[in-house]
Amino acid sequence: AQTVTQSQPEMSVQEAETVTLSCTYDTSESDYYLFWYKQPPSRQMILVIRQEAYKQQNATENRFSVNFQKAAKSFSLKISDSQLGDAAMYFCAYLDGATNKLIFGTGTLLAVQP
Amino acid sequence: GAVVSQHPSRVICKSGTSVKIECRSLDFQATTMFWYRQFPKQSLMLMATSNEGSKATYEQGVEKDKFLINHASLTLSTLTVTSAHPEDSSFYICSARRWRANTEAFFGQGTRLTVV
Repeated sequence: AQTVTQSQPEMSVQEAETVTLSCTYDTSESDYYLFWYKQPPSRQMILVIRQEAYKQQNATENRFSVNFQKAAKSFSLKISDSQLGDAAMYFCAYLDGATNKLIFGTGTLLAVQP
Repeated sequence: GAVVSQHPSRVICKSGTSVKIECRSLDFQATTMFWYRQFPKQSLMLMATSNEGSKATYEQGVEKDKFLINHASLTLSTLTVTSAHPEDSSFYICSARRWRANTEAFFGQGTRLTVV
């Protein structure tokens, strides 16, 4: 079964600095989707970025980018120029193409220090 | 963008009663909706997958008679917690995918259920 692991329960970053959140996953599939979701204190799940496994190019959305290493099954999220509003719980997720289920990691709580 | 509306956002009910939570896709058709439960500071735990016009598929360990799911249309799925007990108190979140676009999931704002 597919699993998603986030090894950093909590992270902290200074405002305007860069932080990288780690995520690894396990799958035997060759084609799949990976996501990073943000959950602020409001608890609304917000999509941050998406990566298709068949694309070698790393996805980028403004200050958010990923380092997708397919062979290593690693999918880290880099947040540049961190802002106070980036403080949230971040979940890495894998989309199981066969069942359409999203499999979430345990989350990383990111604090942004002013 | 796609909007998923979940109602109510908060509900308090007495032990032994039932409570219904609605999940609506406002601007798209969703053939599949998902229901999650989230405990404080924990990840989302998938409870069941709701397919329009068919019975929901429950994850292992989830009581289907306690958590009744109905997906009667392409825009509405409901979760009914029957005979609620204090241990059912939690945060429940739904998500939906567009018809024929099995990638991004859109989430409702969640429902905080408190059973007293």
